[in-house]
Amino acid sequence: SSELTQDPAVSVALGQTVRVTCQGDSLTKYYASWYQQKPGQAPRLVIYDNNNNNRPSGIPDRFSGSSSGNTASLIITGAQAEDEADYYCQSRAASGSHLVFGGGTKLTVL
Amino acid sequence: EVQLVESGGGLVKPGGSLRLSCAASGLTFSNVWMSWVRQAPGKGLEWVGRIKSKTAGGAIDYAAPVKGRFTISRDDSENMLYLQMNSLKTEDTAVYYCTTWWIWGQGTMMIVSS
Repeated sequence: SSELTQDPAVSVALGQTVRVTCQGDSLTKYYASWYQQKPGQAPRLVIYDNNNNNRPSGIPDRFSGSSSGNTASLIITGAQAEDEADYYCQSRAASGSHLVFGGGTKLTVL
Repeated sequence: EVQLVESGGGLVKPGGSLRLSCAASGLTFSNVWMSWVRQAPGKGLEWVGRIKSKTAGGAIDYAAPVKGRFTISRDDSENMLYLQMNSLKTEDTAVYYCTTWWIWGQGTMMIVSS
């Protein structure tokens, strides 16, 4: 079992806002990052250092991150059809030296 | 163009060994911490291990399922990252990615089966 817990599936209507969450004790100490993965493709970093809401170049500004307590969130404001993908959170494990991924959330854009 | 290209995947029998390679280009490889991540068929991402840059001490950490069986190394002179995998198990079957987190390779598939 993962130290980071994600909902297996979330859906959002086209153009609406969706929040994908990630829970884990280590998130009270360490930042989360978020990755998007589409079928047959490698993952892509969309948010890093969750609390500072950092996006790599080329990631649309409709992607943002937030954090509260032991929960990190990826927020997509105005979801587009191309945002349909699996999303994974990542952070350090409670030990600090190891890294861990959440189980992933399949986002469906309706 | 910044690029990571994995190679070396294939079919191997349980108990066997395999070495994966990752060729980096377009970045100052020696300054970068590198990780291996795997994804079993139809499953999520799993961190395998990480090697820090030599300037950061070069420490290597492994996930519990692979510790003692897998070895990560790097050759900064050749811009190469390696994953030596020994005592392979069927549950090691996965696509293996090398990554800086900002950049990911396309992955290489390894199947462990008799």
